[in-house]
Amino acid sequence: EVQLVESGGGLVQPGGSLRLSCAASGFTFSSYSMNWVRQAPGKGLEWVSYISSSSSTINYADSVKGRFTISRDNAKNSLFLQMNSLRAEDTAVYYCARDRSAFDVWGQGTMVTVSS
Amino acid sequence: QPVLTQPPSSSASPGESARLTCTLNSDINVGSYNIYWYQQKPGSPPRYLLYYYSDSDKGQGSGVPSRFSGSKDASANTGILLISGLQTEDEADYYCMIWPSNAYVVFGGGTKLTVL
Repeated sequence: EVQLVESGGGLVQPGGSLRLSCAASGFTFSSYSMNWVRQAPGKGLEWVSYISSSSSTINYADSVKGRFTISRDNAKNSLFLQMNSLRAEDTAVYYCARDRSAFDVWGQGTMVTVSS
Repeated sequence: QPVLTQPPSSSASPGESARLTCTLNSDINVGSYNIYWYQQKPGSPPRYLLYYYSDSDKGQGSGVPSRFSGSKDASANTGILLISGLQTEDEADYYCMIWPSNAYVVFGGGTKLTVL
């Protein structure tokens, strides 16, 4: 079964850091680009970051550029999002999504709450 | 920055058809893009439905019924998701998405479809 499972969310104070993980299974992870997408409570979807299959191309939304870092470990079938200098507006459910131009497989998401 | 505008809400009765729109701002031409559509039910991640570029270039997500289809209205610079034979289980939020370039993704604000 093709599956993505996020972890690492939680409550963090403004200015703090958090590292999200996404474990992939059921497909050849190293063949696919991946993305992070977030959804603030009661709001719509917001694309966060993209990484190509070989990590050669990485892109970020302007809202997180300079604060978030996407990476992957193809040997461990894992995707990561290092989030620094967190703000209240970063509070959201964070999803990892497999990229076939369409985001055809999504994880269940992990909640990140930035609050003092 | 491209903007995709979706009506916040729409409603239709079971058995009828629902036509959900995704209007691109005037800076970008709907004819140049694949329009991707996603369905999201409360408490669940988004589900990929389909993409539409033209009648000869379109694709359905895995397991997505054929009563979900896409089209474009070039005169209105709009992508369209048509759901025929509405079922109560189709009640959900629907999001459109495009890749304005290879570097980033934009989502529409979403439409909440009520089936009553």
